[in-house]
Amino acid sequence: EVQLLQSGGDLVQSGGSLRLSCAASGFTFSTYTMTWVRQAPGKGLEWVSAISGGGGSTSYTDSVKGRFTVSRDNSKNTLYLQMNSLRAEDTAVYYCAKSRASGGTYSPLDLWGQGTLVTVSS
Amino acid sequence: DIQMTQSPSTLSASVGDSVSITCRASQSISSWLAWYQQKPGKAPKLLIYQASSLESGVPSRFSGSGSGTAFTLTISSLQPDDFATYYCQQYNTYSRTFGQGTKVEIK
Repeated sequence: EVQLLQSGGDLVQSGGSLRLSCAASGFTFSTYTMTWVRQAPGKGLEWVSAISGGGGSTSYTDSVKGRFTVSRDNSKNTLYLQMNSLRAEDTAVYYCAKSRASGGTYSPLDLWGQGTLVTVSS
Repeated sequence: DIQMTQSPSTLSASVGDSVSITCRASQSISSWLAWYQQKPGKAPKLLIYQASSLESGVPSRFSGSGSGTAFTLTISSLQPDDFATYYCQQYNTYSRTFGQGTKVEIK
């Protein structure tokens, strides 16, 4: 079955760290750009980060640059988001998502994980 | 970064109505625009990509149009399952911004 299964969300204190995981199955993981999107409580979707299929290219929204690191282990079909120096405003449901087209240069997101809640207490 | 602006923020309609949601980009994104539907507590679902292409399995009452900086999502004959929040997203650049969302609610 084609799916993304997320884990790692938790309650953490401001300034703390957390690592999110997203395990992929049912498709050739290494050929797709993967993306993290978050949604603060009651708010809209916010693009957070993306990583190319081979892992050599990454991108971040300005508010997380220098604090978050996206990575992937293609041997384990798993995507990660390491979050450091967490702030109250990082509180959100975090989704991982797959690009619709392999290569992913110009591609929307066609498969999403179930989401995992990160709560940062101040 | 490219800014995406949706209107309206909320739309009240009845079953059977035809509704349209507009999305404007702060600069040209060609046709690199997608529309998603999200229901409470669920992950978003891709409806339309490349501005007007219907994703497999999505009902044909959903349609998209536009290019450059102005785009529209139209739902013809609203069904009960369509009451949800809709987001546009540009994927012209690696930093892929979303619109702020449009909630379609029952009148």
